[in-house]
Amino acid sequence: SQQGEEDPQALSIQEGENATMNCSYKTSINNLQWYRQNSGRGLVHLILIRSNEREKHSGRLRVTLDTSKKSSSLLITASRAADTASYFCAPILSGANNLFFGTGTRLTVIP
Amino acid sequence: DGGITQSPKYLFRKEGQNVTLSCEQNLNHDAMYWYRQDPGQGLRLIYYSQIVNDFQKGDIAEGYSVSREKKESFPLTVTSAQKNPTAFYLCATTDRGLPKAQHFGDGTRLSIL
Repeated sequence: SQQGEEDPQALSIQEGENATMNCSYKTSINNLQWYRQNSGRGLVHLILIRSNEREKHSGRLRVTLDTSKKSSSLLITASRAADTASYFCAPILSGANNLFFGTGTRLTVIP
Repeated sequence: DGGITQSPKYLFRKEGQNVTLSCEQNLNHDAMYWYRQDPGQGLRLIYYSQIVNDFQKGDIAEGYSVSREKKESFPLTVTSAQKNPTAFYLCATTDRGLPKAQHFGDGTRLSIL
């Protein structure tokens, strides 16, 4: 499979805690993107990290990329109930134009 | 995403019937995509189009057809040959050039009557 694979499949935390989701992929990439999907809605782009970057921040989000291990992680700090959603990673493979989505991590933040 | 409009939000198909899902965008993006999402699953690519009057099959194109006569529009037809059409269908767009973030509509949920 060329898709990213997220881990864990489901995560439940208390509001205010940090949430960490992991993504693994199998081949060389140009960049890797993270998306959020609220129930019954379309995906929303969160952050893009290029293959030559190791870490990137956006507000309460922190993404890391380790190309030697073919893995990425998404950290959401000080989580809120509104962060409850499914989170998907999408690697863009070298030489490809399309995204390949995994099955996602379903995050539940308990108020 | 306000720039991409998918309609209808809910659609029901009878046996042997073709149905068409609409996707319209005002983002002036060149590329458009159709994905299928089954419950608890990720997205699978059905068709994509990088430019008007051109489109390519994705991973699961069988039983589906598309057209790209205008930059703004990329309708998806679910034909009677698609025996298991019940799913959530998402349309997305990207601007040209790498790297690309995809912008998504809010989906159409298709069910069989």
